Amino acid sequence: GESVGLHLPTLSVQEGDNSIINCAYSNSASDYFIWYKQESGKGPQFIIDIRSNMDKRQGQRVTVLLNKTVKHLSLQIAATQPGDSAVYFCAESNTGKLIFGQGTTLQVKP
Amino acid sequence: GAVVSQHPSWVICKSGTSVKIECRSLDFQATTMFWYRQFPKQSLMLMATSNEGSKATYEQGVEKDKFLINHASLTLSTLTVTSAHPEDSSFYICSAHGTSGIDEQFFGPGTRLTVL
Repeated sequence: GESVGLHLPTLSVQEGDNSIINCAYSNSASDYFIWYKQESGKGPQFIIDIRSNMDKRQGQRVTVLLNKTVKHLSLQIAATQPGDSAVYFCAESNTGKLIFGQGTTLQVKP
Repeated sequence: GAVVSQHPSWVICKSGTSVKIECRSLDFQATTMFWYRQFPKQSLMLMATSNEGSKATYEQGVEKDKFLINHASLTLSTLTVTSAHPEDSSFYICSAHGTSGIDEQFFGPGTRLTVL
């Protein structure tokens, strides 16, 4: 069946360093991918998205990379800040329904 | 823009009672809304897709008679957990599609349900 998974459950980084969060997806028909940030007790917050006709997209301090050959998605956060500490989810979509990955907890050490 | 609210933000109820959770799109019309459930330290699992004016579509394994969904207007969808039991305790999150496209979803803040 369809599944989206993350490679690491927890990522600990030093403040100011760059963070890279990875995600594997299994449905090659998925054409839209999104990264969400979720803080404790809150709903997911949109970070950045990318469509399958692109392999890279940049936002403010964040970059998403898509490798369709190996069905891999990554989120890069530059100059990680304490406020970036949260759980990050990737999600894929091909019919308007989102399938979420398992989540990676990002811990930023001061 | 594109704000989705949920009410209540948290609720505690006794086993066997029913609980209704509201999801509202505040500044846009949502033709489609989604309901997710999230257990502690787990991911969001889609429960059902709610389309305005029609019956909801439930994901496999989700009991439609237990989780009643009503999408009576373009700005409101409700999820009723009937005869709630402790195993229904979870974080329930809704999201909404706008009318301009099917991809982007706007998420609500979630509702924490605790069944005693």
